Amino acid sequence: GAGVSQTPSNKVTEKGKYVELRCDPISGHTALYWYRQSLGQGPEFLIYFQGTGAADDSGLPNDRFFAVRPEGSVSTLKIQRTERGDSAVYLCASSLIKEGYTGELFFGEGSRLTVL
Amino acid sequence: LAKTTQPISMDSYEGQEVNITCSHNNIATNDYITWYQQFPSQGPRFIIQGYKTKVTNEVASLFIPADRKSSTLSLPRVSLSDTAVYYCLVLPLTLGRLYFGRGTQLTVWP
Repeated sequence: GAGVSQTPSNKVTEKGKYVELRCDPISGHTALYWYRQSLGQGPEFLIYFQGTGAADDSGLPNDRFFAVRPEGSVSTLKIQRTERGDSAVYLCASSLIKEGYTGELFFGEGSRLTVL
Repeated sequence: LAKTTQPISMDSYEGQEVNITCSHNNIATNDYITWYQQFPSQGPRFIIQGYKTKVTNEVASLFIPADRKSSTLSLPRVSLSDTAVYYCLVLPLTLGRLYFGRGTQLTVWP
């Protein structure tokens, strides 16, 4: 597709359940980012991938959160034992990195997660 | 990372020029200034980026004084569709990750 695609667009789950959120970046973009955004706040950095490896996962709040990008394209954000405080919009972005310099980030429309 | 300060909200009317200033007193030599725009229910979108002096594109202008301790995003002749949150980011382009603050909510009135 032309842009970053995220699925599902909406996910409602119960406290304690496991959730997976998928991101399909722009073809050819080597860098992929996950952010989450709560109402009235700016996007909060979670993790970013350069290729298949996590270049920086310092934003993951705890070990219930995990993300993979096995083939350097599609990424999945996994949340175990969900809590009500995990409710937010999860944003994915991708970008090109040339000679170590990050280009502009292209964001998807996000996956809205609601934990009841 | 350089700390940024920008107004929480601004109001304007259609057709006016809007200037949003961002303060970044501890900007580092290799930091760039980047602005993103976010509409409700969408992810942020890149607007403009600069290092010093003035940068202009089809959407906005970015003014950066010689000391680089602040920057001003200028939106000419705003319309209702410019109502959005605008984020100022100051960081080195080699960092990889981008940090967003709370941004400035711009509301354009008819």
